[in-house]
Amino acid sequence: GESVGLHLPTLSVQEGDNSIINCAYSNSASDYFIWYKQESGKGPQFIIDIRSNMDKRQGQRVTVLLNKTVKHLSLQIAATQPGDSAVYFCAENGGFLGAQKLVFGQGTRLTINP
Amino acid sequence: EPEVTQTPSHQVTQMGQEVILRCVPISNHLYFYWYRQILGQKVEFLVSFYNNEISEKSEIFDDQFSVERPDGSNFTLKIRSTKLEDSAMYFCASRGAGNEQFFGPGTRLTVL
Repeated sequence: GESVGLHLPTLSVQEGDNSIINCAYSNSASDYFIWYKQESGKGPQFIIDIRSNMDKRQGQRVTVLLNKTVKHLSLQIAATQPGDSAVYFCAENGGFLGAQKLVFGQGTRLTINP
Repeated sequence: EPEVTQTPSHQVTQMGQEVILRCVPISNHLYFYWYRQILGQKVEFLVSFYNNEISEKSEIFDDQFSVERPDGSNFTLKIRSTKLEDSAMYFCASRGAGNEQFFGPGTRLTVL
């Protein structure tokens, strides 16, 4: 069945360094992926998305890379800041007829050390 | 900036009682969702709703669950007879014409 998973449950980086969060997915038919950020006590917040016809997409300080060959997704955060500390989820956009339910991975807790 | 709102922020109930969780999606959105997150676990899809009917539901969304859009602004999730294992954060989300789902802040449901 479809599943989206994460390689590491926790990640600590020094403020100012770059961070990379990884995600593996199993549904080769997936065509749309999203990264969400969840701060303590809040709902998931959209960061960046990517369609399966792309390998890379860049936003402000964030880059998502998609490797369809090995079914791997990563989120790179450049020049990390204390506000980047959160749990990061990758999600696959599934469903039918555009209903688009999200299938979330387990989450990686990113801690930015001062 | 428009946002999804949810009430209450925290709901405590006795096992077997009915609860209604309320959500106000972003006003021009057409697709609505409920997700839940058990403490320390991943976010799980419950149900999607479009054009006044359920589009898709997960195995979690059994006969004890129902959703309703009673008017033009609210979207509710009802649990008829709560169980201990229903304790979780419940997130409402809405989506417009694009792909991005906007999440509310969640309601923490505690079943005693």
